[in-house]
Amino acid sequence: GAGVSQTPSNKVTEKGKYVELRCDPISGHTALYWYRQSLGQGPEFLIYFQGTGAADDSGLPNDRFFAVRPEGSVSTLKIQRTERGDSAVYLCASRPGTGDFGYTFGSGTRLTVV
Amino acid sequence: GENVEQHPSTLSVQEGDSAVIKCTYSDSASNYFPWYKQELGKRPQLIIDIRSNVGEKKDQRIAVTLNKTAKHFSLHITETQPEDSAVYFCAASNYKLTFGKGTLLTVNP
Repeated sequence: GAGVSQTPSNKVTEKGKYVELRCDPISGHTALYWYRQSLGQGPEFLIYFQGTGAADDSGLPNDRFFAVRPEGSVSTLKIQRTERGDSAVYLCASRPGTGDFGYTFGSGTRLTVV
Repeated sequence: GENVEQHPSTLSVQEGDSAVIKCTYSDSASNYFPWYKQELGKRPQLIIDIRSNVGEKKDQRIAVTLNKTAKHFSLHITETQPEDSAVYFCAASNYKLTFGKGTLLTVNP
């Protein structure tokens, strides 16, 4: 596609529910990132995929958070037993691959846990 | 891991003045330093970037300088305009971006 697409753009869920956030990167981009941005803060790294594998998941805050990229394109961020503190904008970014620094961000998913 | 410090957290200037935002980083392996502008409710937009083999880069009213020895890099905006008002983030990257906490720039007409 022309850009990084994230769906849904907004998600309101009740505390304790499970949510999935989707990222469709630019076609051919092998590197994909998930970031979380809380109000008034800079984006915080969650996880990095190179192809299908998670090359660095050191930013995932706990085991309620999990992400997959089974075919090396679309990625899904999964949050179990959501908590109010999970409320934030979840940003996805992709770039062509190793050695190319052209990061492109999606518009984000605003998650609100009530 | 990488740690990026950004100052100031808020900056207010008069239209036409210059604005300078400074960042430091900790990981000497970082080799790419982008600056992003983020308007309320929007995604971060890349405004300028610099790679570690370059000391300075300019694009019209925006310039970035990098001092690898001191692990400092700075954003300079000249002739500021009200539409420059936004939150600006610096970042450092080896294979992933680490962001500073942001600077809220207000340009007063």
